[in-house]
Amino acid sequence: GNSVTQMEGPVTLSEEAFLTINCTYTATGYPSLFWYVQYPGEGLQLLLKATKADDKGSNKGFEATYRKETTSFHLEKGSVQVSDSAVYFCALENTGTASKLTFGTGTRLQVTL
Amino acid sequence: DVKVTQSSRYLVKRTGEKVFLECVQDMDHENMFWYRQDPGLGLRLIYFSYDVKMKEKGDIPEGYSVSREKKERFSLILESASTNQTSMYLCASSLSGIVNTDTQYFGPGTRLTVL
Repeated sequence: GNSVTQMEGPVTLSEEAFLTINCTYTATGYPSLFWYVQYPGEGLQLLLKATKADDKGSNKGFEATYRKETTSFHLEKGSVQVSDSAVYFCALENTGTASKLTFGTGTRLQVTL
Repeated sequence: DVKVTQSSRYLVKRTGEKVFLECVQDMDHENMFWYRQDPGLGLRLIYFSYDVKMKEKGDIPEGYSVSREKKERFSLILESASTNQTSMYLCASSLSGIVNTDTQYFGPGTRLTVL
């Protein structure tokens, strides 16, 4: 079946450091890939997405590239801020199943001054 | 802006009680979803609905049921709450029907504690 594997957290970085959160997936067909973010006390919100191989999703300085050859969708940001502290979820949309998503376990990011 | 609201942010119930969690979306979305979120397990799909009165089991439907009598409202029901149903419950909705890549919009969550 479909699955998403994320690096375990927490990830602790100093402000302005480079961020990578790894995400790999297993799926049949050609799923779309997503990163969602959950700020403290809130629900999830879409950060970025990519719908086909080699697509790059980007938003708020975050980027992720859909790599079919390595089945990966790693999240990167060149310079993190304290306000980026949150839990990040990688997800894939199961093809042909009414927008059902399979989520990874989430990675907590803590950015300090 | 899409808004998904959930009836309670925090709820405390006793074992054996019947529990209703309500979710309302205001953007005429066809799809609605209920997830539970647990540390180390991420989000797991309980049930979803792609139309009024339609429902489909997700990955962990045991102990839960749902109701969708109106397009904007999707209710999650715990017929007899148990302590292992203590969790954060998240509702989401998305626009399209079948086979489309569309953003899911999430509510703020209900943290349910079953004593």
